[in-house]
Amino acid sequence: DIQMTQSPSSLSASVGDRVTITCRASQDISNYLAWYQQKPGKVPKLLIYAASTLQSGVPSRFSGSGSGTDFALTISSLQPEDVATYYCQKYNTAPRTFGQGTKVEIK
Amino acid sequence: EVQLLESGGGLVQPGGSLRLSCAASGFTFSSYGMSWVRQAPGKGLEWVSAISAGGVTTYYADSVKGRFTISRDNSKNTLYLQMNSLRAGDTAVYYCAKVPFLQSMAAPFDYWGQGALVIVSS
Repeated sequence: DIQMTQSPSSLSASVGDRVTITCRASQDISNYLAWYQQKPGKVPKLLIYAASTLQSGVPSRFSGSGSGTDFALTISSLQPEDVATYYCQKYNTAPRTFGQGTKVEIK
Repeated sequence: EVQLLESGGGLVQPGGSLRLSCAASGFTFSSYGMSWVRQAPGKGLEWVSAISAGGVTTYYADSVKGRFTISRDNSKNTLYLQMNSLRAGDTAVYYCAKVPFLQSMAAPFDYWGQGALVIVSS
C-alpha cells in the first residue's frame, strides 16, 4: 500500500506568516491528492483536491501544489481562524490513505 | 443542502457487533460513491471503507477487512457499516462521507457527517 507522510507534525507561526506543509507519497499518485482542515472538535473540511484545485468557498490564501509523489499545502498569510490540523489524502485507489496530520498553531 | 446523519453508535463489548447508519439528504444519493472514515480519540483520520454509487463495488482497509461490511440502500438514501468482531482498537468516531463527482470513486470527500462514537470496551 502507498504511504502518505506529512511534515512537519506540528508548527507554530505568527499571524501573517506564510506556512507550508508537505506531503510525500511512497509511490506516484499523479494528482490524486486532497487536503483537509479539521478544527478542534469539528468535522474535516475539504480545502483542495486534484493537488491544486481550491474547493468552492475556501479562502484564496490556501493553495496546493505538486504531482507524482511530492505535494505541498501553503497558507499565504496565516490567520487566527486557520488554527487546525491539516491532513493530506490520496484517493486514486484503495486504500484512500490519509497523512498523519499537521497541527498548526499561532505563535 | 447536503446532510449526512450517522446513527447507531454506542458502547459494545469486545467481540460484539454494531451497525452504523448514515441517512443522506439534499442530493441524489444513488449517484455518488460513499465512504466511512474513522478517528480514534486524539488521533488522525483513518479511511475505513468505500462503496460505489450503485453498491456493486466495495473496498476496505486491511484493518477491518473480513470484519466490517459496507452497504447501501438507495431506495432509503442510507449508507450502512456492519461491524463484527469488534476490538478495542476500533474505538473511534465514525464519519460517513460523500464524493463530489457523479459515479466516481476516485475522488475526495466534499461532505462529512457529524460522526457516530463507537466505544469497544468491557
